[in-house]
Amino acid sequence: TQLLEQSPQFLSIQEGENLTVYCNSSSVFSSLQWYRQEPGEGPVLLVTVVTGGEVKKLKRLTFQFGDARKDSSLHITAAQTGDTGLYLCATHSGGYNKLIFGAGTRLAVHP
Amino acid sequence: NAGVTQTPKFRILKIGQSMTLQCTQDMNHNYMYWYRQDPGMGLKLIYYSVGAGITDKGEVPNGYNVSRSTTEDFPLRLELAAPSQTSVYFCASSGAYEQYFGPGTRLTVT
Repeated sequence: TQLLEQSPQFLSIQEGENLTVYCNSSSVFSSLQWYRQEPGEGPVLLVTVVTGGEVKKLKRLTFQFGDARKDSSLHITAAQTGDTGLYLCATHSGGYNKLIFGAGTRLAVHP
Repeated sequence: NAGVTQTPKFRILKIGQSMTLQCTQDMNHNYMYWYRQDPGMGLKLIYYSVGAGITDKGEVPNGYNVSRSTTEDFPLRLELAAPSQTSVYFCASSGAYEQYFGPGTRLTVT
């Protein structure tokens, strides 16, 4: 079973700072998804990356997929309090769109 | 558009009691899933279904049962609740690629 390791586990920053969180595996990802989960709610898909070296941007969020497809990063520029939440990476495993999730990075952005 | 709905939002059970967590989706998705989320552990797949009448075990199925009589509904049954089942439970459905999650049920077993 493929394991996804996310780092850091926790991150507490001030509004306006930049940050990067990581998702790594010892195995090659078929594809990699990033979800954000706000307190009291279910995860919501942010982006899917499929091609090694791929970079996708979503407003202030930049997602990168490693060339070897074993790692991914999420960079947030000028963080806002609305970015607070749990950031989860996930990959498909075993067909039927089943997902394996990492443990997540819990981000707190303070005003 | 409601998406995926779950009831109840919160529940406290005594050890040995049983309950059913309800999940309904209105997107006509064939694939549905139940996950549990424990602190610091991410989401673990309990059961999944690829269509009405078809279900299969995920990573952590012990102590749970499911049924799928319609495309829309995918209830999760807990028999003989144990403290280890204290968790937040999420139902999800999937079309082509993305999973859509419900708001979750926070269950405490004491």
